Amino acid sequence: GENVEQHPSTLSVQEGDSAVIKCTYSDSASNYFPWYKQELGKRPQLIIDIRSNVGEKKDQRIAVTLNKTAKHFSLHITETQPEDSAVYFCAARGGGNKLTFGTGTQLKVEL
Amino acid sequence: SAVISQKPSRDICQRGTSLTIQCQVDSQVTMMFWYRQQPGQSLTLIATANQGSEATYESGFVIDKFPISRPNLTFSTLTVSNMSPEDSSIYLCSVEDPTSFYGYTFGSGTRLTVV
Repeated sequence: GENVEQHPSTLSVQEGDSAVIKCTYSDSASNYFPWYKQELGKRPQLIIDIRSNVGEKKDQRIAVTLNKTAKHFSLHITETQPEDSAVYFCAARGGGNKLTFGTGTQLKVEL
Repeated sequence: SAVISQKPSRDICQRGTSLTIQCQVDSQVTMMFWYRQQPGQSLTLIATANQGSEATYESGFVIDKFPISRPNLTFSTLTVSNMSPEDSSIYLCSVEDPTSFYGYTFGSGTRLTVV
């Protein structure tokens, strides 16, 4: 089945700096790659996603890039703000419409 | 987007007992997914529930421990049976959102503590 690796596990940045989180996946048939933000005690919330026929997608301060050949995808957050502090999960949609999640990245934005 | 109502939001249960978690969706969906999120960990898929057929369980999860019902296209239950402290986790249901191409939405989660 699908295996998703995510790095780094923790990331600390200064307010206004950029943050990058990287994921790799194993199943070349995976075709959908969402990113979720989970605040403490809350449900995961979709923040951006990308499909396998697209290389990059941007939504205001958030962007996602996908390299199908290398089976890599990354989340980029620019101009980070304290409210960006949370755990971020990448995921890949493979067979059976199932999402397989990465291990998560604890992002801390410091003032 | 689809709205999922999940309950209970939390419970404290005695070991050896069972707890049933319910998820109600405000629209008809083909597939519902049940996840477990242990403290400080990622989400692990327990099973996929399709209406009218038995749930499909992931490796490491069995029907006797986590029986699932899917009586119609808007509702599903997950039971955690014969609980032990190791079952203390957050359990979440999820659907493939019919209003969003490939989007997935999550319920608010059930925080289970087994004592």
